[in-house]
Amino acid sequence: GQQVMQIPQYQHVQEGEDFTTYCNSSTTLSNIQWYKQRPGGHPVFLIQLVKSGEVKKQKRLTFQFGEAKKNSSLHITATQTTDVGTYFCAGRFYGGATNKLIFGTGTLLAVQP
Amino acid sequence: NAGVTQTPKFQVLKTGQSMTLQCAQDMNHEYMSWYRQDPGMGLRLIHYSVGAGITDQGEVPNGYNVSRSTTEDFPLRLLSAAPSQTSVYFCASSLGPMDTEAFFGQGTRLTVV
Repeated sequence: GQQVMQIPQYQHVQEGEDFTTYCNSSTTLSNIQWYKQRPGGHPVFLIQLVKSGEVKKQKRLTFQFGEAKKNSSLHITATQTTDVGTYFCAGRFYGGATNKLIFGTGTLLAVQP
Repeated sequence: NAGVTQTPKFQVLKTGQSMTLQCAQDMNHEYMSWYRQDPGMGLRLIHYSVGAGITDQGEVPNGYNVSRSTTEDFPLRLLSAAPSQTSVYFCASSLGPMDTEAFFGQGTRLTVV
């Protein structure tokens, strides 16, 4: 079945350090989305990537979609305590599975002041 | 604008009891889905619907039923609760199945004893 793997599961950084989480699929994705979930909260949409090799930026966050549309990454430059939370990627697959939004296992980011 | 509303927020059930988790959205979204979130497992898709009268299974449908009689409501039924169904449940909606962000409810924390 369609699966989306995400690493690392947990990352602890000092405030000001950079952070990256990676998302991988065994099959080609139609598109990929990224969400952030604050502790005790619900997932909130960050961005969607659709095109092969696409790169999008939101302030200190940089999102990439691989050339083969099988992997993606989220990079945060100079982390702040407000970045704390779990980051999820979520992918849609081609064919009949495009109606399903399949989430990765998430990366929990802890930022020490 | 209420968005996606889930009730109840917390629930404790005894093994074998039945209950319905409610989900309602006021954004006229066609696409709705249910996820469960467990530590280290990310968000796993239980059931989803692409419109009133249409539902389909996700990754982990066993033990759960759904129906979609109106655009606004998408209840999730547990017919005979089991301890393995202890989890946080999220309902999500989006304008359509493709290329649109998912809006999540606040979640229901369910404990089955």
